[in-house]
Amino acid sequence: DSGVTQTPKHLITATGQRVTLRCSPRSGDLSVYWYQQSLDQGLQFLIQYYNGEERAKGNILERFSAQQFPDLHSELNLSSLELGDSALYFCASSPQAGGGTGELFFGEGSRLTVL
Amino acid sequence: GENVEQHPSTLSVQEGDSAVIKCTYSDSASNYFPWYKQELGKRPQLIIDIRSNVGEKKDQRIAVTLNKTAKHFSLHITETQPEDSAVYFCAASPLRYSTLTFGKGTMLLVSP
Repeated sequence: DSGVTQTPKHLITATGQRVTLRCSPRSGDLSVYWYQQSLDQGLQFLIQYYNGEERAKGNILERFSAQQFPDLHSELNLSSLELGDSALYFCASSPQAGGGTGELFFGEGSRLTVL
Repeated sequence: GENVEQHPSTLSVQEGDSAVIKCTYSDSASNYFPWYKQELGKRPQLIIDIRSNVGEKKDQRIAVTLNKTAKHFSLHITETQPEDSAVYFCAASPLRYSTLTFGKGTMLLVSP
């Protein structure tokens, strides 16, 4: 158990809909990262928050948004869903601000299926 | 930004053989290179990492080597076991406070 909690584990929805994925980082970790894992695409970095502030942005679509709340949990909002958004979405946390500082602790992921 | 290429995409070995996975990176400023293992249906987990001031690092059956001049690093697994079967991801980070860029992964299959 990494200590990172993601909900829901599975989600099935229709095109055009909006969903929210939730992540609670490990106790004491200030950074939260969101990654998208599609078949053959590895782990695509979406966005990072550090202590409530956006720290870095990757290949995140404009239809997607995220935020980190004062209690450090984070939510990833996906709207106007398309078939291609079907993927496994991982949240990871770390104590410090950057990926170069050490281990990222991943949650179990939220599997999104868009029909 | 950083670009990480990983090869091969699939690697099949017999139990007891060695396995080598190679990665190249584009940003010469990268100085942190971790490897993550993802078992089927599970989350990625760090198995070993190396920083640019070190050329090689070992941990039991796994080792990582780094060639900064050529901008490539490799994962070596000796005496492979069926439980080593997983997808392995390499990654690189240019700066201390930058995000990790992952390779596309290598599916390692170890046959008994």
